[in-house]
Amino acid sequence: EAQVTQNPRYLITVTGKKLTVTCSQNMNHEYMSWYRQDPGLGLRQIYYSMNVEVTDKGDVPEGYKVSRKEKRNFPLILESPSPNQTSLYFCASSGQGGNQPQHFGDGTRLSIL
Amino acid sequence: QKEVEQDPGPLSVPEGAIVSLNCTYSNSAFQYFMWYRQYSRKGPELLMYTYSSGNKEDGRFTAQVDKSSKYISLFIRDSQPSDSATYLCAMSVPQGGSEKLVFGKGTKLTVNP
Repeated sequence: EAQVTQNPRYLITVTGKKLTVTCSQNMNHEYMSWYRQDPGLGLRQIYYSMNVEVTDKGDVPEGYKVSRKEKRNFPLILESPSPNQTSLYFCASSGQGGNQPQHFGDGTRLSIL
Repeated sequence: QKEVEQDPGPLSVPEGAIVSLNCTYSNSAFQYFMWYRQYSRKGPELLMYTYSSGNKEDGRFTAQVDKSSKYISLFIRDSQPSDSATYLCAMSVPQGGSEKLVFGKGTKLTVNP
């Protein structure tokens, strides 16, 4: 079954404690992206990756890092989380080229105290 | 002006009603127009995908795009309680060989039995 898998699904942690949210896809997609979803603001892109070792900033990259060492994995790293990063996070992937729909994971709900 | 405007609702209708969901946009560079459905505690799933102005039908769902007015719509016929979800319009611009999605804030729909 084609899917995007995120872990953990839920996490409560404290300010400043480094955390990583993993994302893995089994569709051999080149393009992967991270979004955060906040009430009243909708989904906003954090970072994206066009392929292995190729990443770039989205609209709200501050406070986040990513890496793309393997095609299937695209982890989101919060080096020093702060309460304003409390949000619902989604990873998505798609093939290259236009007309390639994005597939989303089921989300990771982060609470930073 | 936001790039994509979508009335957040909520929208509550009786079972069997015709539902109309709408978005307006300001960026003429948008190429593809999509509707995603998001159930509670799940990621967005692609419902409809259109490129050109006009209508596209899939079962009970019809997507309509009017590029001259920068307006897109989703119609749901014979709505069912299982259609209760948040509906997100999304529009794409080229990004790194793929497409970046810009989302509306979503409209929460409840279909009452």
